[in-house]
Amino acid sequence: GENVEQHPSTLSVQEGDSAVIKCTYSDSASNYFPWYKQELGKGPQLIIDIRSNVGEKKDQRIAVTLNKTAKHFSLHITETQPEDSAVYFCAASSEYSGGGADGLTFGKGTHLIIQP
Amino acid sequence: DTEVTQTPKHLVMGMTNKKSLKCEQHMGHRAMYWYKQKAKKPPELMFVYSYEKLSINESVPSRFSPECPNSSLLNLHLHALQPEDSALYLCASSQVASPSTYEQYFGPGTRLTVT
Repeated sequence: GENVEQHPSTLSVQEGDSAVIKCTYSDSASNYFPWYKQELGKGPQLIIDIRSNVGEKKDQRIAVTLNKTAKHFSLHITETQPEDSAVYFCAASSEYSGGGADGLTFGKGTHLIIQP
Repeated sequence: DTEVTQTPKHLVMGMTNKKSLKCEQHMGHRAMYWYKQKAKKPPELMFVYSYEKLSINESVPSRFSPECPNSSLLNLHLHALQPEDSALYLCASSQVASPSTYEQYFGPGTRLTVT
């Protein structure tokens, strides 16, 4: 099955600086890579995603890059703000039947701390 | 609207009790999922329903019994649970479009404590 590694487990940055979180995956058949933000006591919130036919995607201060050859993808947050503090999870689609309803395999999460 | 609702928000149950968790979405999604999340861990997939049929069961013990009565509702029936089953249970939903995977939207979860 799919295995997703995520680094670092904790990341502390000064407000206004950039943050980068990196993930690798094992299954070359995976083709969908979302990122979720989870605040304390809440469910994961989808913040951005990328598919294997795209190398980069950007949405305001958030960007995701994908290197399919190396099987790694990264989340970039620029101009960080206190409200960016949360746990971030990367994930990869788990190719079971290719039927379009595949479960996600998550990385272990990164606790992002924005220092004021 | 990308809202998935879950009830109850919190549940405390004994090991001999029977209880159910409920999940609802009105986005027209035809895939629904149950995940289990332990503290400081990532969500782990339990079950996937596609067009109201169980398509994936991740070797979950039979004390967890999923049910999808219609395209908007997903239940998780609990019976004879163990204390180690205490966790946050998350429901998610997505469109179904073979072969691609579509965005999964999560509910707020049910915090389950087994005593």
